[in-house]
Formats: sequence, structure tokens, C-alpha cells
Amino acid sequence: AQSVAQPEDQVNVAEGNPLTVKCTYSVSGNPYLFWYVQYPNRGLQFLLKYITGDNLVKGSYGFEAEFNKSQTSFHLKKPSALVSDSALYFCAVRDLNDMRFGAGTRLTVKP
Amino acid sequence: IAGITQAPTSQILAAGRRMTLRCTQDMRHNAMYWYRQDLGLGLRLIHYSNTAGTTGKGEVPDGYSVSRANTDDFPLTLASAVPSQTSVYFCASSDTLYNEQFFGPGTRLTVL
Repeated sequence: AQSVAQPEDQVNVAEGNPLTVKCTYSVSGNPYLFWYVQYPNRGLQFLLKYITGDNLVKGSYGFEAEFNKSQTSFHLKKPSALVSDSALYFCAVRDLNDMRFGAGTRLTVKP
Repeated sequence: IAGITQAPTSQILAAGRRMTLRCTQDMRHNAMYWYRQDLGLGLRLIHYSNTAGTTGKGEVPDGYSVSRANTDDFPLTLASAVPSQTSVYFCASSDTLYNEQFFGPGTRLTVL
């Protein structure tokens, strides 16, 4: 079965600095990769996905992610963090009928 | 506004009781899902339905059942609740299996 790892429970960055939230995956076939964000007491919101094509995927709110097949990674990035980006971020991988989420990374952006 | 609704918002339940969590979507999505979210574990898939009339088991199906009588509704039933089923439950839907999922606001369930 496929799996996803988010090695960092918590990421802290200063407002205006670039941010990276890491994700690595394991899947037997072609990966279908997703990033979601969760604000307090809310459901998850879709940010971006990689199905095929360009390795650099652009998504909502200025986020982007880079698919790296050799490193089996799909790190989420943003050039300049905002305080409002503070939230819980989940990486996910889909394979056939199964969707696996990482444990989540809490991003805190400090003014 | 199109989206997914879940009911109830929260519930405290005695162990051994039966409980049905409701989920309705108005986006005419074919696929629907139920997840549970536990601290440190992320979201885990309980059951899914690729289209009306079909259901399948996810990663953690034991103790739960679902039905998909029509496109819009996907209820999750706990036949006899146990404390380990204390969690936040999210319903989601997607138009195809490989597109992004849209999530409901969640149901916070406490089993005592």
C-alpha cells in the first residue's frame, strides 16, 4: 500500500521568508499527489495536485510544490510567507481506491 | 452555496449505542469518502463509494458501515460505539477518483 511521510511536526518561519513543508511518498504505480490545508475547526481545503506533466505545480494562495521522482518527494513551498498561512498542512497520495494522508505539519508564521 | 454538509456538528455518545453520521453533497460528485482524524495520525480513510450503489473499505473500516442509496447522501453508521471511535469525522467528495476532494466541516464524536 502507498504511504506518505511528513518528517516535520512543526515548521516555524518569519513573515516574508520563504517556507517549505516536506513530504515524501511511497507508491507502487504512478503517484497522484495532493496538498491540503486545514484551518482550526474546519475541514481540509485543496491547495494543489500533481498528476502528470511539469514537476513544478502551482496552486492556491501562492503555494507551489515540486515533484521529484528520484527522491520520491513532493515538498510544498511559498516564496514569501504570510501570517495568515499559519495552519495545518497535509500531504496525500492516491492509488486506485485508497487515499493516504500524512500526519500533518503545523506551520506557524510569525510577524 | 454548493458544498458538503455534515450532521451533527458534535455528539457525545454512550458506549454501545448506535449512531449515524450524516453527509450530503450537492455537487453531483460521483465519489464520496469518510475519514477520521486523530491527533498525530492525520486522516485515515474509513469507507468510500465510487458511485451510487457501490461502497468499499478503506484503511480502518472495522466498526463502521456505510450505504450509498443515491448520489447525494453517504451516511456512516457506528453499530455499537466504543471509546476508541472518539474522533473527528470528515466526509468528502470528488467528481472523479483522481481529482481533488472537497471536505465537509466535520463531526466531533465523543464516545464515553
